Amino acid sequence: GAGVSQSPSNKVTEKGKDVELRCDPISGHTALYWYRQSLGQGLEFLIYFQGNSAPDKSGLPSDRFSAERTGGSVSTLTIQRTQQEDSAVYLCASSLGGYSAGANVLTFGAGSRLTVL
Amino acid sequence: QKEVEQNSGPLSVPEGAIASLNCTYSDRGSQSFFWYRQYSGKSPELIMFIYSNGDKEDGRFTAQLNKASQYVSLLIRDSQPSDSATYLCAVNIQEYGNKLVFGAGTILRVKS
Repeated sequence: GAGVSQSPSNKVTEKGKDVELRCDPISGHTALYWYRQSLGQGLEFLIYFQGNSAPDKSGLPSDRFSAERTGGSVSTLTIQRTQQEDSAVYLCASSLGGYSAGANVLTFGAGSRLTVL
Repeated sequence: QKEVEQNSGPLSVPEGAIASLNCTYSDRGSQSFFWYRQYSGKSPELIMFIYSNGDKEDGRFTAQLNKASQYVSLLIRDSQPSDSATYLCAVNIQEYGNKLVFGAGTILRVKS
C-alpha cells in the first residue's frame, strides 16, 4: 500500500482480555518495527523484524506480549491478559531494510490507541 | 550508556531564532542518522537523514554530523511556532542487523 496501515485505530478492552493489533507495512519493506508510546513519553522499542525473523525482541515488556510476521508483510502484535499499564499508543513502522542508502528510512503508521479499563 | 542520547528539554527559542538540537550516540559503527519530528498526538515524520560527515541542508533545516565525536545535530533557522514539536534523533546500530534506535526526543517550543 501507499503507507503503513494499522488497525484498529482505537481499541478499548477490559483488563484480562487479549488484544491483537495489526500492521500492514509499505509494500516491499522488509524491516518492520513495533513501538509503544505512553502519554507524554518517548518511543519505547518493542520488537524489530527483518523479513519474517525477529533479530531483536528485547523490548517486549513481558511474556504477555508476542509478535509475529508472516510472508514478510503483515505483522500482528498480541497482548494477552491485558493490564491497565498496557494502555498506550502502539506504533508500527517499516523501512526497506538492508544497508543501502535510505534503507533505514522509517515510515510510521498512525498508531493503534489501546485503552485497558 | 544509552545508545542514543538527547537532552529532553524543553528548548525554548523566540520566533525567528535558530534552534539547535543535539544528539550523541554510542556505536562507532553507525552509518545512518535521522531526524524525526513528532507533533503531539501524531506519529513521527522524517525531517531528514545524513550519512556523511559535515553539513546537509534542506530548506530551513541543517543536519550536522561528526562521526569522530559521535555527534549529530539539527539546526532550524528562522524558527516558527509551527516548529514546536518533539524532535527525535535516530541512529542505526550494527548489532541486531542494522536496527534503528531512537533517542528519547527533545521538546522544542518556539515562542511568538
